[in-house]
Amino acid sequence: GAGVSQSPRYKVAKRGQDVALRCDPISGHVSLFWYQQALGQGPEFLTYFQNEAQLDKSGLPSDRFFAERPEGSVSTLKIQRTQQEDSAVYLCASSRGDREAPLHFGNGTRLTVT
Amino acid sequence: QKEVEQNSGPLSVPEGAIASLNCTYSDRGSQSFFWYRQYSGKSPELIMFIYSNGDKEDGRFTAQLNKASQYVSLLIRDSQPSDSATYLCAVGGLSNTGKLIFGQGTTLQVKP
Repeated sequence: GAGVSQSPRYKVAKRGQDVALRCDPISGHVSLFWYQQALGQGPEFLTYFQNEAQLDKSGLPSDRFFAERPEGSVSTLKIQRTQQEDSAVYLCASSRGDREAPLHFGNGTRLTVT
Repeated sequence: QKEVEQNSGPLSVPEGAIASLNCTYSDRGSQSFFWYRQYSGKSPELIMFIYSNGDKEDGRFTAQLNKASQYVSLLIRDSQPSDSATYLCAVGGLSNTGKLIFGQGTTLQVKP
């Protein structure tokens, strides 16, 4: 497709459940980013991939968060044993990969942990 | 101190007025600066980017960058009610990754 596609659009999980969020970036974009956006806040960086290599995961809040991009295209963000504080919108963005390339965001997955 | 700071607002301006949105950043090594617009419930969309000191104009939008003062701003001329949204300032650093740090956003309300 022409844009970044994320699924599911909404996810409700009970505390303790595992969830998997999918991102399909713009074709040919080598860089892929995951951000977490809490209500009323700006996006917070979670992790970054260049092709299949995860080059920066400094923003992942705990070891319950795991991301992968095995073939350098689709990426999955997995959250294990979800907690209420994980409730947020998870945004995926892709770019050409150079420093000045803008990020193109998907519509996000709104995760609610009950 | 946050890396990128914005006044959360709301900033309220009448239709047709100039809206001025401001952002400061802490990393002197920052090289690229972006303004994103985010409507409620939607994802951020790029409005403008600026890399060099000075002004950059695109239609009704002007981005201003002052690296010495670590300050970037966005001016919206002839504001329209459809401009009502949250405006996110984002800053990129020296790394070649394209990773951006975002401010918390300023909510703009344009009243008819």
